Amino acid sequence: KQEVTQIPAALSVPEGENLVLNCSFTDSAIYNLQWFRQDPGKGLTSLLLIQSSQREQTSGRLNASLDKSSGRSTLYIAASQPGDSATYLCAVRIGGSQGNLIFGKGTKLSVKP
Amino acid sequence: DTGVSQDPRHKITKRGQNVTFRCDPISEHNRLYWYRQTLGQGPEFLTYFQNEAQLEKSRLLSDRFSAERPKGSFSTLEIQRTEQGDSAMYLCASSPYTGELFFGEGSRLTVL
Repeated sequence: KQEVTQIPAALSVPEGENLVLNCSFTDSAIYNLQWFRQDPGKGLTSLLLIQSSQREQTSGRLNASLDKSSGRSTLYIAASQPGDSATYLCAVRIGGSQGNLIFGKGTKLSVKP
Repeated sequence: DTGVSQDPRHKITKRGQNVTFRCDPISEHNRLYWYRQTLGQGPEFLTYFQNEAQLEKSRLLSDRFSAERPKGSFSTLEIQRTEQGDSAMYLCASSPYTGELFFGEGSRLTVL
């Protein structure tokens, strides 16, 4: 059974710091991996999608890497801002292109001015 | 707005009542998903449609839950005889062929 773990559960950093969020999964047979952001009481916003054949994806200040063989992904946020404060969720897709996503519990990030 | 739309955003109901949520996906997406999220947890998969066909249902989807997507466009999720344990955020997502999921704002259910 695929399990997704995100460490740490919560993180507080001062503004301007570079930071890394970690995601690990138990079964390397994934189709893709997606990182999301969730603000309190809101839905999920897609940040980055990495296909299983890819090693990393970048969007602005965000960079996500994928190492399937070790069952790990990282989300790197450069020059953090207070507006980055949110919960970050990682999810892996199993069962091929039509499979569903298995989510971690998320990392709650607080960036202090 | 061309994103995923969910209605209502909040629903408060008494135990035993029936509730229905609606999801309008992004128009060119043929795949539609329902997830449930409780406080402090990641979303849990409930069910998935490709066009009008319901292709997968989670064991979480008890016989009190039913989902439809009658014309392959919008979808409804109905919960019959609600219980307090049904209180959660119900999230809808749609997906194009790339497999990237786009979520709506969710429908929060509170069962008293």
